Amino acid sequence: EPEVTQTPSHQVTQMGQEVILRCVPISNHLYFYWYRQILGQKVEFLVSFYNNEISEKSEIFDDQFSVERPDGSNFTLKIRSTKLEDSAMYFCASRPDGNEKLFFGSGTQLSVL
Amino acid sequence: SQQGEEDPQALSIQEGENATMNCSYKTSINNLQWYRQNSGRGLVHLILIRSNEREKHSGRLRVTLDTSKKSSSLLITASRAADTASYFCATVRGSQGNLIFGKGTKLSVKP
Repeated sequence: EPEVTQTPSHQVTQMGQEVILRCVPISNHLYFYWYRQILGQKVEFLVSFYNNEISEKSEIFDDQFSVERPDGSNFTLKIRSTKLEDSAMYFCASRPDGNEKLFFGSGTQLSVL
Repeated sequence: SQQGEEDPQALSIQEGENATMNCSYKTSINNLQWYRQNSGRGLVHLILIRSNEREKHSGRLRVTLDTSKKSSSLLITASRAADTASYFCATVRGSQGNLIFGKGTKLSVKP
C-alpha cells in the first residue's frame, strides 16, 4: 500500500541552524500538509499546500518557516533559524482530490539543542 | 478557536472491555474524523462521519455524532492490547481540508 515517507526520522540541530525536513507524499495526491506535535501535546496544523502554493497557514507558521515542492515527488519544510521551542515531531500528510481523509507519514523528530 | 476536544484524557481498561472516548467541537462541520496514533508514530485514519449521519460502524469501531450537542463518541468494542494508542478526533477548517485535532485520549488496554 502506498505511504507517505519522511526523512530523516530523527534530526538533532543546534539553535539558530537551518533544517530541512523532507517528505514524499503519495504519488497521486494533490493536497499536502505539515503538522507538528510537541511531546505530549496536541497535533497542530502548520501549513497546507496545493497547486504549488501555500493555501493556508497557521499562526505558528511564521517567517522562519517555508515549504517547497521542488520536483514532482518531494515536499519539504524548512526552518531557517531553529529555536528551542521548535523541538517537536513534524508530520507530513497528503490526500487525493475528492477524499477528505489524510494520510500521514511516520514523522521526523526534531531536537533543537 | 479550538476544535475537537476529547475526553477523557486517559483511559485504562482490561482486554475485552469496551472503550468509549468523547469529542466536542465548537463550530459547524461537514464531517468529523477519528485518528489513531501509536506511540511515536504517525496518525492513521480510522473513520469519518458526515454531518448528516448519526452513527457509523467499522469493524469493532462505532462512531456517533450529535450535531445539536456538537459532540461525537468513538466506541471500541471487545478491546485488545493492540488497541493501546492515542485517539484523536479532528474537524475540517477551511476549504483545503485542513484538519484541526483535539488533544486526544490516551487508551491503555491491559492484557
